[in-house]
Amino acid sequence: KAGVTQTPRYLIKTRGQQVTLSCSPISGHRSVSWYQQTPGQGLQFLFEYFSETQRNKGNFPGRFSGRQFSNSRSEMNVSTLELGDSALYLCASFLLPGQGQETQYFGPGTRLLVL
Amino acid sequence: AQSVTQLDSQVPVFEEAPVELRCNYSSSVSVYLFWYVQYPNQGLQLLLKYLSGSTLVESINGFEAEFNKSQTSFHLRKPSVHISDTAEYFCAVIDTGFQKLVFGTGTRLLVSP
Repeated sequence: KAGVTQTPRYLIKTRGQQVTLSCSPISGHRSVSWYQQTPGQGLQFLFEYFSETQRNKGNFPGRFSGRQFSNSRSEMNVSTLELGDSALYLCASFLLPGQGQETQYFGPGTRLLVL
Repeated sequence: AQSVTQLDSQVPVFEEAPVELRCNYSSSVSVYLFWYVQYPNQGLQLLLKYLSGSTLVESINGFEAEFNKSQTSFHLRKPSVHISDTAEYFCAVIDTGFQKLVFGTGTRLLVSP
């Protein structure tokens, strides 16, 4: 089975622009989570989606949004980019939302640099 | 709120030496515990997890971790490390009922010959 795919792998944007990142989960997985990784804040939870519905959201401003499509693929969008949004954005896929015991499989990430 | 503390930001060790990476969590409820490894320019890979049952869990590449409820710890150990174990290791916890991982700040394991 192919793993989690994230596109693009690298991205350079300027302040004020917006960006859309894509995540394709493992075939058969219906849930996707997004995390932001920065040197200062570490790994922080952004959102969780299942069946096109956002089930959980982290403590990020409204500039961060996401969605999930009927084929379980997910996108996240960041509008009005700030320098502090420079980070590695990781997507994780898992079979179904459970009670926390589901193994989350991570993609390679999209590295975003905001200039 | 859940939190995870990884006491060591960096652990240097010589090849074939034993290593322990420390992890403590704060929780008043049942938790699931995980160790993930991140190699340079890659995503996270699950190393091992504790859900229930035996408090000692093992990975296929020789790592093991022991869940200690009284000390709220989940330390990762390996009796003999290899150069290829050089990576960053993250301890994480999930509140049962949710799928949100709360990560520690990571420990960089540096294995030298």
